[in-house]
Amino acid sequence: GAVVSQHPSWVICKSGTSVKIECRSLDFQATTMFWYRQFPKQSLMLMATSNEGSKATYEQGVEKDKFLINHASLTLSTLTVTSAHPEDSSFYICSARQGGGTEAFFGQGTRLTVV
Amino acid sequence: KQEVTQIPAALSVPEGENLVLNCSFTDSAIYNLQWFRQDPGKGLTSLLLIQSSQREQTSGRLNASLDKSSGRSTLYIAASQPGDSATYLCAVRGNTPLVFGKGTRLSVIA
Repeated sequence: GAVVSQHPSWVICKSGTSVKIECRSLDFQATTMFWYRQFPKQSLMLMATSNEGSKATYEQGVEKDKFLINHASLTLSTLTVTSAHPEDSSFYICSARQGGGTEAFFGQGTRLTVV
Repeated sequence: KQEVTQIPAALSVPEGENLVLNCSFTDSAIYNLQWFRQDPGKGLTSLLLIQSSQREQTSGRLNASLDKSSGRSTLYIAASQPGDSATYLCAVRGNTPLVFGKGTRLSVIA
């Protein structure tokens, strides 16, 4: 199956700083990428959908100025958590889908801890 | 709005047992349904993908069925092993990106 690589796998940052998470499709072109957030013992909640070259579409309740998403190429999307706070601590997972494809492939996830 | 429910939330079985995990969804207008496995602190591993036109999919000891009209899917695991211990997530795709259930946390006891 297709491979999606997410980096870093974990990160600890100080409150008020920004953190960037990368999501790469290694062997296919991802026209659409998705970013999810998962709190402990909860389901994955979609944060935003991004199509290559377009602005991301954010789900209700997700602050677009806080969670900056860039999908500048067909193999890379980034999520930047700006001015992170402890309540942003969570597990962030990206997924990628090829144009016309029906299946989305997931990265390994990033555990963010804000102290 | 699509909602996905998984029952039970947690399950503990002795090694060797066959077991069934349940998933239900409220909007039957889906393109496909996918079962994932998630180990603690890890990402998702796709287990089975069932297209809306299909009734079931099999992979090794896993069998997933789909009854789209009733909004239900089951994941059957045969001859469970301790290595099967993980959280199993069901997700459906309709006109929106994947919508996930909260998962079933499975423990297989040796």
